[in-house]
Amino acid sequence: DTGVSQNPRHKITKRGQNVTFRCDPISEHNRLYWYRQTLGQGPEFLTYFQNEAQLEKSRLLSDRFSAERPKGSFSTLEIQRTEQGDSAMYLCASSFLGAYEQYFGPGTRLTVT
Amino acid sequence: SQQGEEDPQALSIQEGENATMNCSYKTSINNLQWYRQNSGRGLVHLILIRSNEREKHSGRLRVTLDTSKKSSSLLITASRAADTASYFCAPPISSGSARQLTFGSGTQLTVLP
Repeated sequence: DTGVSQNPRHKITKRGQNVTFRCDPISEHNRLYWYRQTLGQGPEFLTYFQNEAQLEKSRLLSDRFSAERPKGSFSTLEIQRTEQGDSAMYLCASSFLGAYEQYFGPGTRLTVT
Repeated sequence: SQQGEEDPQALSIQEGENATMNCSYKTSINNLQWYRQNSGRGLVHLILIRSNEREKHSGRLRVTLDTSKKSSSLLITASRAADTASYFCAPPISSGSARQLTFGSGTQLTVLP
């Protein structure tokens, strides 16, 4: 399967713990995006990378959230000191440089208890 | 802030009928995309229409864009049960930030066999 992959698919954590998610984009894609989606809503943009450079960040992305793409390939999204409000589906997408269409992964569902 | 908003929120039709979904957005854009999301395949790109296009076709899909009214519509002809999904329009947050897509709450389409 050459699509976008995300790990883990599900994560249950206790409030206050740190969690890290991984996204592997389609290999030829230079751009990588992170979104968050809550039940009944569409995805909300969090941040995006072009190669290893983080180019845009949403105001939704609090200081507890950090994303990296160290070698311009896979990316990680870390949430520190998780809160119940962080419970959501975290989606990763990737795209070709110069293209607008984004290809989404299956998501990581986070539950904070 | 939310840029795109879909209408209606829910739509139920019989197989073989056509389904029309509408989208309104707030600021000037250079393109608008439509995506579909169901539990089986996640979020999938359907079609992109540029600001200099008024109509675009792809298989059973027809998209229109009216930049003067800041609105778009998605028509699915001869619907099938497999079209049951949530449909989202995704304009960029602004023409200057074309990679940051905004999604509304979507239209939940149910196609009855």
